[in-house]
Amino acid sequence: DIQMTQSPSVLSASVGDRVTLNCKASQNINKYLNWYQQKLGEAPKLLIYNTNNLQTGIPSRFSGSGSGTDYTLTISSLQPEDVATYFCFQHNSWPTFGAGTKLELK
Amino acid sequence: EIQLQESGPGLVKPSQSLSLTCSVTGYTITSGYDWSWIRKFPGNKMEWMGYISYSGSTNYNPSLKSRISITRDTSKNQFFLQLNSVTTEDTATYYCADVAEDYWGQGVMVTVSS
Repeated sequence: DIQMTQSPSVLSASVGDRVTLNCKASQNINKYLNWYQQKLGEAPKLLIYNTNNLQTGIPSRFSGSGSGTDYTLTISSLQPEDVATYFCFQHNSWPTFGAGTKLELK
Repeated sequence: EIQLQESGPGLVKPSQSLSLTCSVTGYTITSGYDWSWIRKFPGNKMEWMGYISYSGSTNYNPSLKSRISITRDTSKNQFFLQLNSVTTEDTATYYCADVAEDYWGQGVMVTVSS
C-alpha cells in the first residue's frame, strides 16, 4: 500500500490567515491526489481532485499543488466555516487516505 | 440528485459477520460508476474497503480480501457489504459512496463488542 503522511496533525490558525496543509506519499502518485474536508458528523466532501482541480461549488480560497510524492492544500484566507478535518487521498494505486489534519480556530 | 443511505445493525459480536445495506436513490447503480464501501476508524484513519462496479465486478482491499464481500440487488437499487469474522478492530463508521462523483451516505457507526 502507498502510505500517506499528513502534517501537521493539528493546526490552529486565525480567521484571515493563509493556511497550508501537507501530504507526503511513500512513493510517486503521479498527481492522483485528492483533498477532502470532513466536518463533525458529516460525510467527507471533495475539495480538490488530481492535485489542483477545484471541485464544482468549492470556494476559490482553496487550492492545491504538488507533484511526485509531495502535495499541499492551501486556504488563502481562513474562514470560520473551514474548521474541519482535512484528508488527502491517493488513487494512483489501491486508494489510501492520510490520517488527517484537524484545523482549528485560534 | 443522487443520494445514498446506509443501514444495518449498530452492534455486532466478535467473530460474527457485519452486514450493511446501501440504498441508492436518484440514479440506477447499473447505469454507471463504482459503488464503494469506506470506513473511518476511531482516531480518524480511513480505509477504502472495496467496490462493486456498475457491471457487477468487484474489487477488494487486499488487506480484507479473505473476509469481505460486496454484492448488489439491482431490483432494489441497493448494494451490500458483508465482513466476516469481525473483531473489535472493525469498530468504525461505515460509509457507502460513489467516490468519483463525490456522493456519500451519512455513515453508520458499527461497534464490535460482546
